[in-house]
Amino acid sequence: EIVMTQSPATLSVSPGERATLSCRASQSVSSNLAWYQQKPGQAPRLLIYGASTRATGIPARFSGSGSGAEFTLTISSLQSEDFAVYYCQQYDNWPWGFGQGTKLEIK
Amino acid sequence: EVQLVESGGGLVQPGGSLRLSCAASGFTFSTNWMGWVRQAPGKGLEWVASMMQDENDKYYVDSVKGRFTISRDNAKNSLYLQMNSLRAGDTAVYYCARVAAGGRVGDWGQGTLVTVSS
Repeated sequence: EIVMTQSPATLSVSPGERATLSCRASQSVSSNLAWYQQKPGQAPRLLIYGASTRATGIPARFSGSGSGAEFTLTISSLQSEDFAVYYCQQYDNWPWGFGQGTKLEIK
Repeated sequence: EVQLVESGGGLVQPGGSLRLSCAASGFTFSTNWMGWVRQAPGKGLEWVASMMQDENDKYYVDSVKGRFTISRDNAKNSLYLQMNSLRAGDTAVYYCARVAAGGRVGDWGQGTLVTVSS
């Protein structure tokens, strides 16, 4: 089973600043990596797939990078609506595992 | 617009059973891989089960193998999760998920809460 590890667990950033979230896989998942955003009381929403492709309707301030076992989600200029929990997920091998999440909070 | 509407959650005693349903609309259900993802209270996300367009290929996380069964009825645009021998650790919100190409979740339902407690 591939284990996904996200860091940091909590990230405090001011609005307008850049946020960088990391995700590491216990073995290579190629580019089979997605990022999701989840707000309290809501279902997650797909942001990025294929490690770097934005899903439909996702603003350009969200970008993903990486391949193999190291991945990054960058939010270039944080808006108030971006403060949420972010999860990475590998879909290279079943079970398709999620990371434990990074909570992005307002500084 | 894609819609996934779950039902069937509730309170059940340990050892009991529940059947979750997911009514799908807004896309061609019969050609899509579908699945169930759960989230325990205050915790992260976990894939529970997934299945391809027909009944031939089904996948389960180890913790539910032999207890949960995923199925679908393409004529009714519906996905199901039969959950038997429920345990306290199965307590979670269960999301119906449309699997986009490869294994990412393209669309999520609103979730249904399953509580296993005496």
